[in-house]
Amino acid sequence: RKEVEQDPGPFNVPEGATVAFNCTYSNSASQSFFWYRQDCRKEPKLLMSVYSSGNEDGRFTAQLNRASQYISLLIRDSKLSDSATYLCVVNSIKDNYGQNFVFGPGTRLSVLP
Amino acid sequence: DGGITQSPKYLFRKEGQNVTLSCEQNLNHDAMYWYRQDPGQGLRLIYYSQIVNDFQKGDIAEGYSVSREKKESFPLTVTSAQKNPTAFYLCASRYSGQGAYTEAFFGQGTRLTVV
Repeated sequence: RKEVEQDPGPFNVPEGATVAFNCTYSNSASQSFFWYRQDCRKEPKLLMSVYSSGNEDGRFTAQLNRASQYISLLIRDSKLSDSATYLCVVNSIKDNYGQNFVFGPGTRLSVLP
Repeated sequence: DGGITQSPKYLFRKEGQNVTLSCEQNLNHDAMYWYRQDPGQGLRLIYYSQIVNDFQKGDIAEGYSVSREKKESFPLTVTSAQKNPTAFYLCASRYSGQGAYTEAFFGQGTRLTVV
């Protein structure tokens, strides 16, 4: 089983729609969680960190469920500019060496006019 | 301006050649990472380093080598042993001090093509 898993999509949604992505992780010792956005042929950029209590940033809401080991990202009122690949990232302790930063395979979103 | 810089942006390699990709950061970050991304795929970890003069293999280290002689620099060498090196290579860094679980920052990537 991969350490971080996501539905690859693509999710094709109309402008204004609400869309949700889920991500599951296997390492119960994972400490922190992030959502990144990657545009085609560009580097990933941080969208938001995910906190235990859940957090919101404008149209974006992230939730963490430690018991079930999954993270979610909700995008409300989708814009054309939201079209991108969304990467779930999990930070965990690895082999007593330090921290490991593991990316999920990403979920592709296309927002259609 | 603080940041992480990769060079070159595009690199062409002949079969059988070794090439080195540069990654430099002035963010005073302890940890640095190299990832490989193939078209339509996610990021796969090649090597990572938590401190100077130490590094660990990631999931796909075969055919690659790294060094970490300075905190700011983490160059990646793609050797001739890497049979399919054409890919997008991304370097990242982050602060990973005791109790810190911070996000990573990426360079703009190097697109390597074998010709």
